Parts: sequence; structure tokens; C-alpha cells
Amino acid sequence: SQQGEEDPQALSIQEGENATMNCSYKTSINNLQWYRQNSGRGLVHLILIRSNEREKHSGRLRVTLDTSKKSSSLLITASRAADTASYFCATGRGGDKIIFGKGTRLHILP
Amino acid sequence: DGGITQSPKYLFRKEGQNVTLSCEQNLNHDAMYWYRQDPGQGLRLIYYSQIVNDFQKGDIAEGYSVSREKKESFPLTVTSAQKNPTAFYLCARSMDRGSHGYTFGSGTRLTVV
Repeated sequence: SQQGEEDPQALSIQEGENATMNCSYKTSINNLQWYRQNSGRGLVHLILIRSNEREKHSGRLRVTLDTSKKSSSLLITASRAADTASYFCATGRGGDKIIFGKGTRLHILP
Repeated sequence: DGGITQSPKYLFRKEGQNVTLSCEQNLNHDAMYWYRQDPGQGLRLIYYSQIVNDFQKGDIAEGYSVSREKKESFPLTVTSAQKNPTAFYLCARSMDRGSHGYTFGSGTRLTVV
């Protein structure tokens, strides 16, 4: 059962530009999380935003959450080559598990 | 490795053979999870365990089995009943039932030969 759906599926931008990825989900949530995955590696937890929060920052990352629209966005500012990866959103409903979307593949062009 | 170790990194299975993937964590967290990832896809939950000697089926448990005899270990067995086992397998751990995020291992890539 897939809860979150990322958009776009793939994104290519020039180094230094900002990258924005979106996540939409269907049912009410307790929290929403973003993860990064480099090719062939495990996922790395980036940021968690709770349902009563609207915006959260961590370094060059900015996450927003709009529970009325059931959507979230991840903004990476001043992108770098090392940001090339797949990014996944995952939704938690306060229970035992979280559900992942299919991800956005981000490619930073030199 | 963030306190969670998967082995081996690569594994090859012959048709009709059972194989076991290892997942060990050293941070005394209660919850552990197994996910399967196919190319270009998201993660699908196979099994998870909140406490020792207890585990729950996820969305795609058929053809897989797990055990949780010790808190630090959560091995996954891919049985011969799993007809399409070639995939990337990821183990994760969490505290507070994931409310602070998961920490993932580096994965095991299983290929049927």
C-alpha cells in the first residue's frame, strides 16, 4: 500500500540552483519524513515534520507541510553535485510503521 | 553504519534455495524492519518487529520468514516460495515506533542465478 507519491519522478537542475520536490498523500498522518538514497546504498533520514508543524529547516533543506492539501514539499537550496540522489517521502500515522513513496530522482548537472 | 549492519552486501541464490540475510543493531532499539526495493520503486514492507520474540507481517510477507530471538538481531530468510526474490533488501531500526525516523543499513542485493 503506497501512501505518499512524489512529484516529479525525475528532476535535473544546474549546480547552484534550488531543487523542489513534492509529496502528496491520501490519509491523515501523524508525521511525514524525507529520506535520501544514493545509488546502491541505504536510505538516510533527512528531516521529520509533525502534523502540527507547517515548516521545518535543516541546513540547506526546507520542508513544508500542508495537511489541508495533504501535501509536503522538500526544498534543497544552492544544490551541489553531492545532492544527486533519490529522495523519498514517508508518512507515519503514529503506529508501528511508515509507508514510503516511489521517490524523486534528482540529478545535479555540473 | 549508524549502528545497524547488514550482511552480506551481495548474495546469489540458486532456484529452490533458501537464503538468510543478516541484520544486526547495537543501539538497543526495540523496533526493526525489513523492506524490499525493486529498481525505480519505493520501499515495500516485508516484516517488522517491535519486541523480542514478536513480529508482524508487512505488505509483502509471502515467501519470507523472520525471527527475533535477540533484541540486536533480526534475520530475514528468503524461502524457495518467493518466486521473484531478485531485489535490494533494506533493514531499518527505530526508536519510539519511527516517530523520530528510521536508520537504515546499507542493504543486501540478492540475485537469483
